[in-house]
Amino acid sequence: EVQLVESGGGLVKPGGSLRVSCAASGFTFSTYDMNWVRQAPGKGLEWVSSISSSGSYIYYADSVKGRFTISRDNAKNSLFLQMNSLRAEDTAVYFCARRRVVGATTFDSWGQGILVTVSS
Amino acid sequence: DIQMTQSPSSLSASVGDRVTISCRASRTISNYLNWYQQRPGKAPNLLIYAASSLQSGVSSRFSGSGSGTDFTLTISSLQPEDLATYYCQQSFSTPVTFGQGTKVEI
Repeated sequence: EVQLVESGGGLVKPGGSLRVSCAASGFTFSTYDMNWVRQAPGKGLEWVSSISSSGSYIYYADSVKGRFTISRDNAKNSLFLQMNSLRAEDTAVYFCARRRVVGATTFDSWGQGILVTVSS
Repeated sequence: DIQMTQSPSSLSASVGDRVTISCRASRTISNYLNWYQQRPGKAPNLLIYAASSLQSGVSSRFSGSGSGTDFTLTISSLQPEDLATYYCQQSFSTPVTFGQGTKVEI
């Protein structure tokens, strides 16, 4: 069974930093591109960042470019999102999501999400 | 960025009803359109990919259609467990973008 479990969320002050993680199991992590998608309270879904299976190709939404860094450790089946210079508008539940191995960007498995709150 | 617009924003229907949700892209996206279901307090779940392909394990009550700019998600016979918000997502170009969601109440 595919499992994605996020951790590391919490309350952080504006301008602060936080690192969220996603532990993967039940599939060959190193063969899948991975993503972060967020959802502000009561709002819709917003794609944040993606990383290819090898880590060679990385993309960011304009809203987080230059502040967030996605990375992965295939030996530890883990995905990370380092978030710096956090703003109130970054407050959201952050989901890690697996991309289908074939075809266009389709998220076929999701973690339960982790809440990040940016507030003074 | 490609903007995705869903209609209606919310709807109320009865068990057994046929429900249709629309999604329109701001420019043509061929069939690069996915549908997700998000139950309250849960993560999204993939229902339909490539506009009309049913994801493994998803009930055949769900179907998708459309191409170009206009797409439809249909629930053939609404069930209580279908209470959720439904999102379309285009995978034609980066950044991938989602519709604003359609909340289905029963």
